[in-house]
This record gives sequence, C-alpha cells and structure tokens, in this order.
Amino acid sequence: DAGITQSPRHKVTETGTPVTLRCHQTENHRYMYWYRQDPGHGLRLIHYSYGVKDTDKGEVSDGYSVSRSKTEDFLLTLESATSSQTSVYFCAISESTTYEQYFGPGTRLTVT
Amino acid sequence: EDKVVQSPLSLVVHEGDTVTLNCSYEVTNFRSLLWYKQEKKAPTFLFMLTSSGIEKKSGRLSSILDKKELFSILNITATQTGDSAVYLCAVVTTGSTLGRLYFGRGTQLTVWP
Repeated sequence: DAGITQSPRHKVTETGTPVTLRCHQTENHRYMYWYRQDPGHGLRLIHYSYGVKDTDKGEVSDGYSVSRSKTEDFLLTLESATSSQTSVYFCAISESTTYEQYFGPGTRLTVT
Repeated sequence: EDKVVQSPLSLVVHEGDTVTLNCSYEVTNFRSLLWYKQEKKAPTFLFMLTSSGIEKKSGRLSSILDKKELFSILNITATQTGDSAVYLCAVVTTGSTLGRLYFGRGTQLTVWP
C-alpha cells in the first residue's frame, strides 16, 4: 500500500466551526489531491497540488482552502463548516499526471 | 452533465459467474482511463488503460479500452464473494487540471455464495 495517512479518521463538528484535515505521504510524490465522496455524486475533486506551495481548485472548491508547505503534507481547511460539507474526504497522491493515483484511508466528517 | 457513465449501477450474481462492467466517457483531451475497486474504504487501483485494443489482465480481472467508441469494459471471471465491491471508472484528461480524474458513480457488485 502507498504510504498515505489521513487524520483525523472521523470527526463530528458543529456548523460554523473551522476544521482542518491532514494528508501525509511518505512516497515523496509531487501531486496530491483532495476529493469528497457523496452518495449519488461519486468522487469529486476539491483541490489539488502540483508542488510545494502550488495549489489549484477542483470542481467543488467553494468553502474549502488548502495549503502545502512541505512535500509530504497537504492540508484541507473548511473555514466555517456547513452541513453540506458532511462527507467522506479522500486524499490521493500521484508521482506524475500520467501515473495512477493512490488513495488514503479517508476521513468521515459529520457537520451537525 | 456526467462525463463518465458506468453501467449497470448495481449487479447481483452468484459465485462462479462472469460479469462485465461498462464505462463510457465523453471528455475532451482524453489521456487515460483507470479502474478502481472500493470496499467500504479507500479505492484501490486496478488498471490504467491508455491504448485501444490492448487488454490489461490481473488474475481473474481484465479490462480493455475502445478509444474510437469511447468506452471500456472490466471483466471478472469466476467471481468470488471477495469481489463484492463498488467498481469505479475514472478518466484523466490533459486539460488545465493536471492529472485530474473524472469519476463515474460506480457499479455496486454483489456476489452471493
């Protein structure tokens, strides 16, 4: 298995609170991605990174921000969590854009 | 609108059956198509297909891509209960989002003993 961990694995938070999810990799891969998975929608890209301090938006980026200060860490922040952000969040890594992506174990986030 | 469409959405078979899962896509600047298996946890990588007509095979699983007709199939022969999972198809484009995956909604396969 690719060396990807996500923390926390489960979180329950209240509407309006800030939340930060962490993705950590030990593979030294350049590309990192955050997806959310919801019933009826499949996996959708939130943000991605193509290097340290290089990030860009995916298709569902509203309400989310990211940061990547080290190759191994990619943080996803919900500035003010809403119930619509209740989801399972997956981090993925890739050696290059032509290679397959490997997924972390996921974080189940519930916003009440 | 969906760029990647998988069918059927769900499938129930008995052990030993052979199944074919379908994935059709409509994207510009196609680069590759990937298949993943998801069993109530993270998706795990199965195959990457970039060229038409070349079958990828791993044990009882095989897949092929048709770039002219814009689809791929995933075959599983002699199914086992451990094959029960959601199978995801994803397409990579060479557009502005580097290496972005467009996922289909998946096919839920249930294999009964």
